[in-house]
Amino acid sequence: DGGITQSPKYLFRKEGQNVTLSCEQNLNHDAMYWYRQDPGQGLRLIYYSQIVNDFQKGDIAEGYSVSREKKESFPLTVTSAQKNPTAFYLCASSGTQGGGTEAFFGQGTRLTVV
Amino acid sequence: AQTVTQSQPEMSVQEAETVTLSCTYDTSENNYYLFWYKQPPSRQMILVIRQEAYKQQNATENRFSVNFQKAAKSFSLKISDSQLGDTAMYFCAFMKYYTGANSKLTFGKGITLSVRP
Repeated sequence: DGGITQSPKYLFRKEGQNVTLSCEQNLNHDAMYWYRQDPGQGLRLIYYSQIVNDFQKGDIAEGYSVSREKKESFPLTVTSAQKNPTAFYLCASSGTQGGGTEAFFGQGTRLTVV
Repeated sequence: AQTVTQSQPEMSVQEAETVTLSCTYDTSENNYYLFWYKQPPSRQMILVIRQEAYKQQNATENRFSVNFQKAAKSFSLKISDSQLGDTAMYFCAFMKYYTGANSKLTFGKGITLSVRP
């Protein structure tokens, strides 16, 4: 079945640690996105990529990093520079053919700083 | 840059009645897509409906329909015959037509809809 998979579902991070959230898709989509969701804030864009080996900062990129070495994969690293990382993170992908398609989402990762 | 505004944080509707969720957006683009997504308590994002800006006809999907006013930059969602399973957060989203340049998907802050039995 085609889809987009995020792992892990829950993640705990100690102060000062870097953690990496995984996002894999088998939909053959060129575009992939990372969003952060906080109560009352909606979905805020962290990073996005529309082609392998290229990505752009979104609205809240500080303290985060990404890579796009393969079309199927777009991991997000939450670095120690991110001062308030506790949030729900959503990964999405979309096609770019014919002007673009709607985005499909993973099930999300809940990150908690302990 | 494009922005999406959902000014109502919460709404409530009686089961079987109709409710309309509002969304406005701002863009200088002429070709773009608009979407409504639903996020139930499971937090899985589900596409409700999609509208291409070049289409004058409003999109419909069963009980869900939109009122797309391009000149006014308005994109409201109407839910008819509301069901308890419609209880969720609803997000309006914008994406410009992909032409090889950067095309990001921008969301509004969402609205929490509660359907009362």
